[in-house]
Amino acid sequence: SQQGEEDPQALSIQEGENATMNCSYKTSINNLQWYRQNSGRGLVHLILIRSNEREKHSGRLRVTLDTSKKSSSLLITASRAADTASYFCATEAPLGSQGNLIFGKGTKLSVKP
Amino acid sequence: DTAVSQTPKYLVTQMGNDKSIKCEQNLGHDTMYWYKQDSKKFLKIMFSYNNKELIINETVPNRFSPKSPDKAHLNLHINSLELGDSAVYFCASSPTRGYGYTFGSGTRLTVV
Repeated sequence: SQQGEEDPQALSIQEGENATMNCSYKTSINNLQWYRQNSGRGLVHLILIRSNEREKHSGRLRVTLDTSKKSSSLLITASRAADTASYFCATEAPLGSQGNLIFGKGTKLSVKP
Repeated sequence: DTAVSQTPKYLVTQMGNDKSIKCEQNLGHDTMYWYKQDSKKFLKIMFSYNNKELIINETVPNRFSPKSPDKAHLNLHINSLELGDSAVYFCASSPTRGYGYTFGSGTRLTVV
């Protein structure tokens, strides 16, 4: 069953601009994770934010989590052409539930040089 | 050093055939997974193994059978392949719950 829903489905920006992607989910979570997938490649883990955290940073990435609204956002600052990829959010259910990640449909980001 | 490796990378086969996809991880992780990514990029869990034991078996046709000979390997065998099985299959691993996954580069299966 699908849990996360990314928004927008596609995003096209110029190099140097910031990119913001949103993710909404339906049920309680233990953590939420963001992944990047370059065309024809596997997924790469970017960042994990736990349910008791509100914000996390990693380099040019900033992730926020609002458990009351069941939503998260991923901000990529000063985007580069190499950031062009699909970005997925994934949620892990709380302890006592199945532990596998459930992925959303992804946001396709295109960064133009 | 490849952390999660899958073979083959591409697999083209005829309907009705039986095929296997192999996965190996050298990260010492306890849990391994198989995901299927369809043509719309939607990823769905198929199976999950923890220390060689099956812990998740989603609604997948019983033509799909995972096998984990040891903690580092999780293979996927598919019998009587159908056109609808065409997809990219990803193997992944994680240390345990609460950690990110490491994915393999995927196996693109095309059934003709």
